[in-house]
Amino acid sequence: NAGVTQTPKFQVLKTGQSMTLQCAQDMNHEYMSWYRQDPGMGLRLIHYSVGAGITDQGEVPNGYNVSRSTTEDFPLRLLSAAPSQTSVYFCASRPWGQGMCFFGQGTRLTVV
Amino acid sequence: QQPVQSPQAVILREGEDAVINCSSSKALYSVHWYRQKHGEAPVFLMILLKGGEQKGHEKISASFNEKKQQSSLYLTASQLSYSGTYFCGTEINTGNQFYFGTGTSLTVIP
Repeated sequence: NAGVTQTPKFQVLKTGQSMTLQCAQDMNHEYMSWYRQDPGMGLRLIHYSVGAGITDQGEVPNGYNVSRSTTEDFPLRLLSAAPSQTSVYFCASRPWGQGMCFFGQGTRLTVV
Repeated sequence: QQPVQSPQAVILREGEDAVINCSSSKALYSVHWYRQKHGEAPVFLMILLKGGEQKGHEKISASFNEKKQQSSLYLTASQLSYSGTYFCGTEINTGNQFYFGTGTSLTVIP
């Protein structure tokens, strides 16, 4: 099993550009989520999904969109990148109930 | 809703003990603990469910006080390999949003 596959690993964007961070899992997990990690602020929840067709906002959703058309995929879209979105992004999945989180390898995004 | 961890950072010598605390403003259904090495993704350590149980994993154990909405991670006889950033993860109800704490950087020196 590949687990959670997240791409790309590194990305540099110019202010105003758009991009999509890809996330796919092959464990049939219902719950998927996106976090951003910034120094001193831990992991903050951006958006999450409890199943195909169902998404909801986390703590810091502004500037990001998500969709969940299949159980496997949960892409994160930056519509118009801003320097404040420079961060490390992690996708995670977990089974419904009490299961542990499985993380992707992370994406280091720099917006200049 | 992000839980607050304390301390923010701690430096230990090998063999010393440490306690990391995680505090939430909401009633919790479960608490997870994860460790992250530099440049890597967080790795699961353990999960605790409401009921005040305590769990152990080698020399790392944790407790969960649901009345106080707090959890503590205990690291005893620390080893160099314990260095990293520790995060608690919390959920209010099963299947609900899963929030991670602010993180605690732990450095073990020889």
